[in-house]
Amino acid sequence: KAGVTQTPRYLIKTRGQQVTLSCSPISGHRSVSWYQQTPGQGLQFLFEYFSETQRNKGNFPGRFSGRQFSNSRSEMNVSTLELGDSALYLCASSKRTGASTDTQYFGPGTRLTVL
Amino acid sequence: AQKITQTQPGMFVQEKEAVTLDCTYDTSDPSYGLFWYKQPSSGEMIFLIYQGSYDQQNATEGRYSLNFQKARKSANLVISASQLGDSAMYFCAMREEPNDYKLSFGAGTTVTVRA
Repeated sequence: KAGVTQTPRYLIKTRGQQVTLSCSPISGHRSVSWYQQTPGQGLQFLFEYFSETQRNKGNFPGRFSGRQFSNSRSEMNVSTLELGDSALYLCASSKRTGASTDTQYFGPGTRLTVL
Repeated sequence: AQKITQTQPGMFVQEKEAVTLDCTYDTSDPSYGLFWYKQPSSGEMIFLIYQGSYDQQNATEGRYSLNFQKARKSANLVISASQLGDSAMYFCAMREEPNDYKLSFGAGTTVTVRA
């Protein structure tokens, strides 16, 4: 069974630009969550999508947005990039059955560098 | 307030020995799940083991076991018979409600296995 895939793996952008990251969940998984990992702030939750609807959102500015498609694939967008947006962006998928045992499985991440 | 605390920034362990990674958590929710993930230098987060708040027994998964002490709000990970491939960052995470798919992560512990 294929794992969570994320594209691209690496990105270099300049301040002010926008970027779109993509995540394909494990087959059969309907929930996709996004996390930002930086050396200073650690791992922080961005948002979760299920059935094409945002279900939960972390404490990030409106420049960070996302969406989910009918095939459960998800994209996140960051507009007007700032230097502080340089991070590893991790996507995780789960079955979202509502059981407490539901596990989130992570992709390899997209490493974004903002110059 | 920090929901997950990992007090050991880094640890060294000899190959074939056991190592215990500390994790304490803070929640008032009676239903929660605790997860441990491994992050090698490649960046991908690998799920290791899960413990539910209502589980009577400590979770085990191969060489990984969880020392769950609910009253103390601790969920320490034990890696037995350490291997060189165990060198990585280890994160403790918590999900507080069955339908809340946001994971709160600790700062992580870096484990280095010496030959």
